[in-house]
Amino acid sequence: QKEVEQNSGPLSVPEGAIASLNCTYSDRGSQSFFWYRQYSGKSPELIMFIYSNGDKEDGRFTAQLNKASQYVSLLIRDSQPSDSATYLCASLTLGRLYFGRGTQLTVWP
Amino acid sequence: GAVVSQHPSWVICKSGTSVKIECRSLDFQATTMFWYRQFPKQSLMLMATSNEGSKATYEQGVEKDKFLINHASLTLSTLTVTSAHPEDSSFYICRLRGSNTEAFFGQGTRLTVV
Repeated sequence: QKEVEQNSGPLSVPEGAIASLNCTYSDRGSQSFFWYRQYSGKSPELIMFIYSNGDKEDGRFTAQLNKASQYVSLLIRDSQPSDSATYLCASLTLGRLYFGRGTQLTVWP
Repeated sequence: GAVVSQHPSWVICKSGTSVKIECRSLDFQATTMFWYRQFPKQSLMLMATSNEGSKATYEQGVEKDKFLINHASLTLSTLTVTSAHPEDSSFYICRLRGSNTEAFFGQGTRLTVV
């Protein structure tokens, strides 16, 4: 399996803060990168994807990609308790999606 | 949006028996189907990929004779866990993709082998 590494967490932030989630990947051939949110016992939900270097913003979420460093991140602004979940980073290589272990995020009121 | 239906959502079976999990695309033709397995607090591990009209391609370390994948039609894929053992207890999720659509996950199946 292609290596996708995430900081293991758990990560705990107060409501309204910025949560920063990080991910590195080993395969330089990876084409696109995805962030999913997964609640316990449920299948992942797509938050956003990125394939170009730089930042991509969608509402409270910003994905950042640095291909030279093989680094992907997700910032969640104005974190809410409902954002508490496990966040999975995934890389797309030759049509296959490979996931990191996930970072558990807790947003406390 | 496109919907994928995965059944059953949970199943308990005895060790040594076989279990079949179904995954259906409800409003698109799934030309490629992926099966993942997830152990508690672990990543989703890709098990195999099947494309229309060809046999499934298994990832390294996944036993193709134990995990039988049938891409029965463009709307149905099945995963059969044969001779299941307690170590096969896991969360199994399908992911289906059409030729002109993004991919969608099924709801997942929690398998417990006792």
